[in-house]
Amino acid sequence: GAGVSQSPRYKVAKRGQDVALRCDPISGHVSLFWYQQALGQGPEFLTYFQNEAQLDKSGLPSDRFFAERPEGSVSTLKIQRTQQEDSAVYLCASSLGGWLGRNTGELFFGEGSRLTVL
Amino acid sequence: AQTVTQSQPEMSVQEAETVTLSCTYDTSESDYYLFWYKQPPSRQMILVIRQEAYKQQNATENRFSVNFQKAAKSFSLKISDSQLGDAAMYFCAYRLYNNNDMRFGAGTRLTVKP
Repeated sequence: GAGVSQSPRYKVAKRGQDVALRCDPISGHVSLFWYQQALGQGPEFLTYFQNEAQLDKSGLPSDRFFAERPEGSVSTLKIQRTQQEDSAVYLCASSLGGWLGRNTGELFFGEGSRLTVL
Repeated sequence: AQTVTQSQPEMSVQEAETVTLSCTYDTSESDYYLFWYKQPPSRQMILVIRQEAYKQQNATENRFSVNFQKAAKSFSLKISDSQLGDAAMYFCAYRLYNNNDMRFGAGTRLTVKP
């Protein structure tokens, strides 16, 4: 597609429910990132994929958070047993290059999925 | 740990005037990148400008320029001839050359007055 697409744009969940957030990166982009952005804060790194391989998941806040990218394109961020502190905007970004080194291109961000946990 | 600090939660500028947004960062590394991203109300982050730490020359992109002071670990963004469309949240970000973890500041909300 023309840009990074995320769905749903808005999700309201009751505490304890499971949610799944989808990211469709720019076609051909090797790298995919998930960020969490709390209200009034900057984005916080969650996890990184290079093609289908999850190379870095050090930012996932707990084992209730799980991300996958099985075919190296679309990615899903799943949050199990949601809690109120999970309320945030979840941003997906993609990059053409396979490793953000000196030949890096910029990160292209989606519009985000706003999760509200009641 | 690397941290990015934006000390100005909100800034305001008159249309056609110049404004400078501040950013400082903390690192013991010497090889890294610095970025300014713009996030309009629709929430899609857009890269404004990028600076490689090994380059002494300050980056410029049309009306946007930076003042990179490596020793002081300062990376400010200057917007000249401000336009209404510049109104947005601006985030300063830092990334090591060999690391995918891009660290963002808390952001500065810029308002442009007509």
